[in-house]
Amino acid sequence: DAKTTQPPSMDCAEGRAANLPCNHSTISGNEYVYWYRQIHSQGPQYIIHGLKNNETNEMASLIITEDRKSSTLILPHATLRDTAVYYCIVRGPMNTGFQKLVFGTGTRLLVSP
Amino acid sequence: EPEVTQTPSHQVTQMGQEVILRCVPISNHLYFYWYRQILGQKVEFLVSFYNNEISEKSEIFDDQFSVERPDGSNFTLKIRSTKLEDSAMYFCASRILAGGVTGELFFGEGSRLTVL
Repeated sequence: DAKTTQPPSMDCAEGRAANLPCNHSTISGNEYVYWYRQIHSQGPQYIIHGLKNNETNEMASLIITEDRKSSTLILPHATLRDTAVYYCIVRGPMNTGFQKLVFGTGTRLLVSP
Repeated sequence: EPEVTQTPSHQVTQMGQEVILRCVPISNHLYFYWYRQILGQKVEFLVSFYNNEISEKSEIFDDQFSVERPDGSNFTLKIRSTKLEDSAMYFCASRILAGGVTGELFFGEGSRLTVL
């Protein structure tokens, strides 16, 4: 598995954009970057994923550098409910095989009023 | 929105007792997983299950663990003789097969197991 490196914690003011970085310098050509989050010991929740192009959905945007060695998850207008641990995971395509997710320690994002 | 449901939400048991944790995956999903998270630690993979058999298991998933899909809707994790170190939150997850979708895992809210 390609490994990822994330800062252990970050702070963000409510209403501001939260930019969560992830380094994955050993990512392979067919590996995707997935982001999940875990709110206070609840089950992890899928946020977004991408291969090489930037992606956006109703929850977040994912910016992947051209060399694919790093990425940034952007929560455009963070709310208190976005306080969670965010996991950046690199894995092969999830729609093939039995690909499990391997969770690291993630980034603990604290959104404050 | 469809969701993965788990029961019980919290179970307290004595060391050495058998425990069964139950999960109802999303109805059209075909891959099933169990993960666990010891308090303050990472979410750890235990086992994946497809087509009524284990497809992969971790070194944590030893002989005291077993999984079953007894009736086409439930997916259970059994711990035969619980140990203190089995105290953790256990998460069930499921995902749809392939077909152009993201294939993301949907997790339940977890079952907290406390072994005394």
